[in-house]
Amino acid sequence: DIQMTQSPSSLSASVGDRVTITCRASQGIRNDLGWYQQRPGKAPKRLIFAASSLQSGVPSRFSGSGSGTEFTLTISSLQPEDFATYYCLQYNSYPRTFGQGTKVEIK
Amino acid sequence: QVQLVQSGSELKEPGASVKVSCKASGYTFTNYGINWVRQAPGQGLEWMGWIDTNTGNPTYAQGFTGRFVFSLATSVSTAYLQISSLKAEDTGVYYCARSLTVTTSPWGQGTLVTVSS
Repeated sequence: DIQMTQSPSSLSASVGDRVTITCRASQGIRNDLGWYQQRPGKAPKRLIFAASSLQSGVPSRFSGSGSGTEFTLTISSLQPEDFATYYCLQYNSYPRTFGQGTKVEIK
Repeated sequence: QVQLVQSGSELKEPGASVKVSCKASGYTFTNYGINWVRQAPGQGLEWMGWIDTNTGNPTYAQGFTGRFVFSLATSVSTAYLQISSLKAEDTGVYYCARSLTVTTSPWGQGTLVTVSS
């Protein structure tokens, strides 16, 4: 199975900050990776697919990069509605695997 | 629009069974697989497996074999997750999600299953 190691597990940031979250795959997954945002009590919502493609309707302050084993999600200017938990998901092979999640909290 | 709507919360006793439904609309049901994802209380997301809506063939992740069954009713564009011999550790929110590999991949709103005596 492919292990997805996500870091950090949590972070505190202020509105307007630039935030970067990383996912590392235990083996190469090309660009078969998505990033999800989950607000408390809500279903996850995909922000990025194919590592760097922005999902329709998602603000442009979100961006993804990477290929192979190293991936990043960047929020260029954190907004109040961005405080949530973020997950990466690899869909290169079965079983699909999620990262452990990164909780973004208000500083 | 494309959407998945799941059945409501369930409270079950240990040893009972539960069947969660996931009704699709806005697209041809058999064109995309349905995935199931579990989230235990306060925990992360765990992929349980998926079902090919064209063939009905299910694939289960390790840890979700035996008591977990994915099924379909294609005439009503609905996928089901049945869990038998429920245990306290099955408590959590269960999500269905359309194929995770395509451009548009909506999720259901989630179904809370609580196992408690």
